[in-house]
Amino acid sequence: EVQLVESGGGLVQPGRSLKLSCAASGFTFSNYGMAWVCQAPTKGLEWVASISTGGGNTYYRDSVKGRFTISRDNAKNTLYLQMDSLRSEDTATYYCARHTMGIDYWGQGVMVTVSS
Amino acid sequence: DIQMTQSPPSLSASLGDKVTITCQASQNINKYIAWYQQKPGKAPRLLIRYTSTLESGTPSRFSGSGSGRDYSFSISNVESEDIASYYCLQYDNLPYTFGAGTKLELK
Repeated sequence: EVQLVESGGGLVQPGRSLKLSCAASGFTFSNYGMAWVCQAPTKGLEWVASISTGGGNTYYRDSVKGRFTISRDNAKNTLYLQMDSLRSEDTATYYCARHTMGIDYWGQGVMVTVSS
Repeated sequence: DIQMTQSPPSLSASLGDKVTITCQASQNINKYIAWYQQKPGKAPRLLIRYTSTLESGTPSRFSGSGSGRDYSFSISNVESEDIASYYCLQYDNLPYTFGAGTKLELK
């Protein structure tokens, strides 16, 4: 069974940093691209970033370029999202997701709240 | 970026009704559209990908169609368990983009 379990969320002040992790199991992690998708409270879904199987290619939505970094450790079956210079508008639930013909499996999500 | 215009924003249906949601892309997305169901407090669940391919476990009352820029998603014989929000996703090009969502409620 495919499982994606996020961790690392919480309350953080504007301008500070946070690092999310996603532990993957139930599939060969290194064979799949991975992504982060966010959802602000009561809002819709927004793709945030994607990473290729080996980690050599990364892609970001414009609003997070230069502030967020997606990475992966295939030996640990773990996906990461380093979030720097956080803003109030980054407040959302962040989902780890598996890429294959779009996005198929999703984690349960982790809440990030940016507030002073 | 490809814009996905999803409508309607909300739908009110009776049990047994057929409902249809549409997504129009700002350019041809070559049938690379997926549909998701999301219930409150839960992660989205993939129902359909590549326009009309049902995922394992997706009931046959769900269907999708379309081509080019215009796509639709239907639920025939709405059941109480279908009450949720639904989103389309284009994955023809990065950045992937979602429709704004449709909230299905019981009449």
